[in-house]
Amino acid sequence: GDSVTQMEGPVTLSEEAFLTINCTYTATGYPSLFWYVQYPGEGLQLLLKATKADDKGSNKGFEATYRKETTSFHLEKGSVQVSDSAVYFCALSNGDKIIFGKGTRLHILP
Amino acid sequence: GAGVSQSPSNKVTEKGKDVELRCDPISGHTALYWYRQSLGQGLEFLIYFQGNSAPDKSGLPSDRFSAERTGGSVSTLTIQRTQQEDSAVYLCASSYYSRRDSSYEQYFGPGTRLTVT
Repeated sequence: GDSVTQMEGPVTLSEEAFLTINCTYTATGYPSLFWYVQYPGEGLQLLLKATKADDKGSNKGFEATYRKETTSFHLEKGSVQVSDSAVYFCALSNGDKIIFGKGTRLHILP
Repeated sequence: GAGVSQSPSNKVTEKGKDVELRCDPISGHTALYWYRQSLGQGLEFLIYFQGNSAPDKSGLPSDRFSAERTGGSVSTLTIQRTQQEDSAVYLCASSYYSRRDSSYEQYFGPGTRLTVT
């Protein structure tokens, strides 16, 4: 069945460092891909999405490109801030059901 | 507009008691999902409603868990005879189909933190 695999955390970086959180997927057909973020004490919120191959989703300085050839949707940010500390979930939608990865906790040190 | 709301935000209950958790989805969203998130863990899918179709209950961990969705809108998750391992944050989400980009997008509520003592 469809699945999402993302790198295990926690990931700890210093402020202004470059961030990559890897995400790969297994799916039939052409799923939509998402990154959700969960800030401490809050619910999940959509960060960005891409709905077809080679699309790039972007928001708040984060980017991810839908790579069908490598079945990947890696999350990147050029310069992280302390306020980016959160848990990040990669997800795919193939039809109306959404499948989440296990989440990656990110700590940014000042 | 209004987002997904859940109530209560916090619930403390004694082991063996029944609890009901409520979710109000975004108006017009046809799909509704319940997830459980234990401390420091990922999302555990529980149940999914889509329109008038039979719900997908494949994620419910035991027969103590049940959920219903009345009138295609509000949903209630019921846990009977609660156990300590039921302690978690219970998240609800609703979604709609975006014709613009042919995809579903989930909107989450803030969650209900359940503590079983």
